[in-house]
Amino acid sequence: GAGVSQSPRYKVAKRGQDVALRCDPISGHVSLFWYQQALGQGPEFLTYFQNEAQLDKSGLPSDRFFAERPEGSVSTLKIQRTQQEDSAVYLCASRKGSEAFFGQGTRLTVV
Amino acid sequence: AQKITQTQPGMFVQEKEAVTLDCTYDTSDQSYGLFWYKQPSSGEMIFLIYQGSYDEQNATEGRYSLNFQKARKSANLVISASQLGDSAMYFCAMREGRGGGADGLTFGKGTHLIIQP
Repeated sequence: GAGVSQSPRYKVAKRGQDVALRCDPISGHVSLFWYQQALGQGPEFLTYFQNEAQLDKSGLPSDRFFAERPEGSVSTLKIQRTQQEDSAVYLCASRKGSEAFFGQGTRLTVV
Repeated sequence: AQKITQTQPGMFVQEKEAVTLDCTYDTSDQSYGLFWYKQPSSGEMIFLIYQGSYDEQNATEGRYSLNFQKARKSANLVISASQLGDSAMYFCAMREGRGGGADGLTFGKGTHLIIQP
């Protein structure tokens, strides 16, 4: 597709469940970012990939959060043992040049 | 201290009027970039406009312009001739050099703009 694609769009998880969120970036975009957007807030940086290398994971809130991009294209954000405070929209963006293109996000609700 | 400050949580504007959304930023870097994004209720972040710290001219993109005042660390977004479809959340964001190639965006809390007919 022409844009960044994220799946699923919505995910409801029971507390303690593991979840995996997928991001398909724009073809050819080297840089990929994950952001977390809590309700009523701006997105907050989680992690950054350049190709398959995870160059910055300083924004990951805990060791329950793990991201990978093994072939330098599709990326997966995994959250283990989900907690209620993990409820948020998770946005993926890919970048070429100055402009970052965002997907529509995955809305995660932990119940 | 917040790196991006948007002081207007919400704004109501009459259709066809111009609107200015405020953004101030805080950085010690000499090289940085400033962005504005629109986020409609569908959730996607739509890029509107970019201003580099070394750009001497204010950026413009159609009805959008960025009023860049470097000394004041201000990067306000101006939307001319507002339309009903402009109703959305608007986020100001900054990219600083972090080293190692990591250059994610830092966002403000956003302004909820509502255009009234």
